[in-house]
Amino acid sequence: EIVMTQSPATLSVSPGERATLSCRASQSVSSNLAWYQQKPGQAPRLLIYGASTRATDIPARFSGSGSGTEFTLTISSLQSEDFAVYYCQQYNNWPLGTFGQGTKLEIK
Amino acid sequence: QLQLQESGPGLVKPSETLSLTCSVSGDSISRSSYYWGWIRQPPGKGLEWIATIYNSGSTYYNPSLKSRVTISVDTSKNQFSLKLSSVTAADTAIFYCARLDSSGFFESWGQGTLVTVSS
Repeated sequence: EIVMTQSPATLSVSPGERATLSCRASQSVSSNLAWYQQKPGQAPRLLIYGASTRATDIPARFSGSGSGTEFTLTISSLQSEDFAVYYCQQYNNWPLGTFGQGTKLEIK
Repeated sequence: QLQLQESGPGLVKPSETLSLTCSVSGDSISRSSYYWGWIRQPPGKGLEWIATIYNSGSTYYNPSLKSRVTISVDTSKNQFSLKLSSVTAADTAIFYCARLDSSGFFESWGQGTLVTVSS
């Protein structure tokens, strides 16, 4: 099983600043990596797939990068609605897709 | 616009079988090139993929749950379902149904339903 490790567990950032979230795979997943955003009481929402392709209606301030085992989600200028938990998911060995444990992005 | 809606009992007794249904609107399961799946999230914890199905009936299970899980599809009702047997308190979770891109990422999600396992 491919293990996904996200860091940090909690990230405190001020509105308007940049946030950088990391996701590491225990073995190469090529570019088969997705990012999701989950707000309290809501279902996750797809943000990024293919490591760097924004999903429909996702603002341009969200960007993804990386390949192989190291991936990054960057939010360029944090808005109040961006404070949430973010999960990465590898789907390289589909159908066994595995999620990271999540990074909580909180207001500093 | 695609909508997925989970339904089923919110409380299940230990050792019994949890049964959930996902009703799909805005897409036809039988004509769709997408896959359909279930994910769960214990309260305050992370996400775990449970199972996936295609309209042909092909099924895929998380090995850690495979012995207890059945996923099925009813194209006439545009629904797919999940059964999880021999539940324990550790199975208490929010269960989400979702549509998967053929590559394997979860493209759209239902709102989720909380299932509590308790006597």
